[in-house]
Amino acid sequence: DVKVTQSSRYLVKRTGEKVFLECVQDMDHENMFWYRQDPGLGLRLIYFSYDVKMKEKGDIPEGYSVSREKKERFSLILESASTNQTSMYLCASRPGTGLYYEQYFGPGTRLTVT
Amino acid sequence: RKEVEQDPGPFNVPEGATVAFNCTYSNSASQSFFWYRQDCRKEPKLLMSVYSSGNEDGRFTAQLNRASQYISLLIRDSKLSDSATYLCEGGGSYIPTFGRGTSLIVHP
Repeated sequence: DVKVTQSSRYLVKRTGEKVFLECVQDMDHENMFWYRQDPGLGLRLIYFSYDVKMKEKGDIPEGYSVSREKKERFSLILESASTNQTSMYLCASRPGTGLYYEQYFGPGTRLTVT
Repeated sequence: RKEVEQDPGPFNVPEGATVAFNCTYSNSASQSFFWYRQDCRKEPKLLMSVYSSGNEDGRFTAQLNRASQYISLLIRDSKLSDSATYLCEGGGSYIPTFGRGTSLIVHP
């Protein structure tokens, strides 16, 4: 079974802090994604990576950056956390560059910025 | 840019009912689609893939209508445990696009 893990289930940070969210997958997937999910807005893509050291912006990259130094790990960085970044953050992976593969999600990190 | 649209619901149905949701997409080049189920405060999990005309798995049937650019999810004999949010993902490029989800509530 594919397993996607995220470093924290719940996180509370203060405004202005630098926040690191880590995601690890164990199935050698090429593609990895970071989403945020807010009530009524659905899943919104922040960044994705289709290979090591490669990254592309999604729909809402402002205020975020990412790092993918190893194939299995994709990190999301909030450079200076703000209250409007309070959200559920979901990481996902899928094999290949495929149009034909579903995504596997981690359990999510519920981030609260105070 | 919102390429995949879903009715947010909620769809409120009694146990045993048949319920159907639609998901419309705007990218005619889309080749593959997926339905995910998401329980409250949990991550989405794949329910069904739809690559061509359709797919069936037990009480669940997914169909693709390319002419009208929508996919549907039909749930027969609804169970209380089917209560969840159902997300549609459309694949027109290597960038995934999700609908906002349809909420289903099955009541006794």
